[in-house]
Amino acid sequence: RKEVEQDPGPFNVPEGATVAFNCTYSNSASQSFFWYRQDCRKEPKLLMSVYSSGNEDGRFTAQLNRASQYISLLIRDSKLSDSATYLCVVHGGYNKLIFGAGTRLAVHP
Amino acid sequence: DGGITQSPKYLFRKEGQNVTLSCEQNLNHDAMYWYRQDPGQGLRLIYYSQIVNDFQKGDIAEGYSVSREKKESFPLTVTSAQKNPTAFYLCASSGRDRGPNQPQHFGDGTRLSIL
Repeated sequence: RKEVEQDPGPFNVPEGATVAFNCTYSNSASQSFFWYRQDCRKEPKLLMSVYSSGNEDGRFTAQLNRASQYISLLIRDSKLSDSATYLCVVHGGYNKLIFGAGTRLAVHP
Repeated sequence: DGGITQSPKYLFRKEGQNVTLSCEQNLNHDAMYWYRQDPGQGLRLIYYSQIVNDFQKGDIAEGYSVSREKKESFPLTVTSAQKNPTAFYLCASSGRDRGPNQPQHFGDGTRLSIL
């Protein structure tokens, strides 16, 4: 089993749609969780950290379920500019991050 | 502006040649990392360094070497022993000022290809 698993997609959605990505992780001791965004042929950029209570940043909402070991990212009112690959990232201890392979999102007009 | 600078952006390696990828940061971060990304795959950790003059192997260190003589710099050498070096190489750094388990911030990467 991979340490961090994501549905690779692609998720093809129209502008204005709500889309949700899930991610599961295997290490129950993990303490920190993040979502990164990666555009084609570019570096990953931090989108948001994920807190135990769940957190929201504008149109983006992240949730953590420790009991089931999954993390979710919800994007509301999708924009064309949201098209990218979204990476689920779990802290692996010793300042190491474990990256999922990413979920590709394509928003169309 | 604070950030992480990787150079060159594109690099070509001849067979049997060692090449060195540069990574410099002015974020005053203690920890630095090197990852490799192959098409359609996630990032894989090559080497990381928590402090100057110390570094650890990641998951795929074979065929690579690093040094950490200065806090700002963490160069990666891809040696001739790395038989499949074609990939996107990403350098990252993270600080400890807000405690451990901080997110990492990335440079804009180096694309390495074999000639």
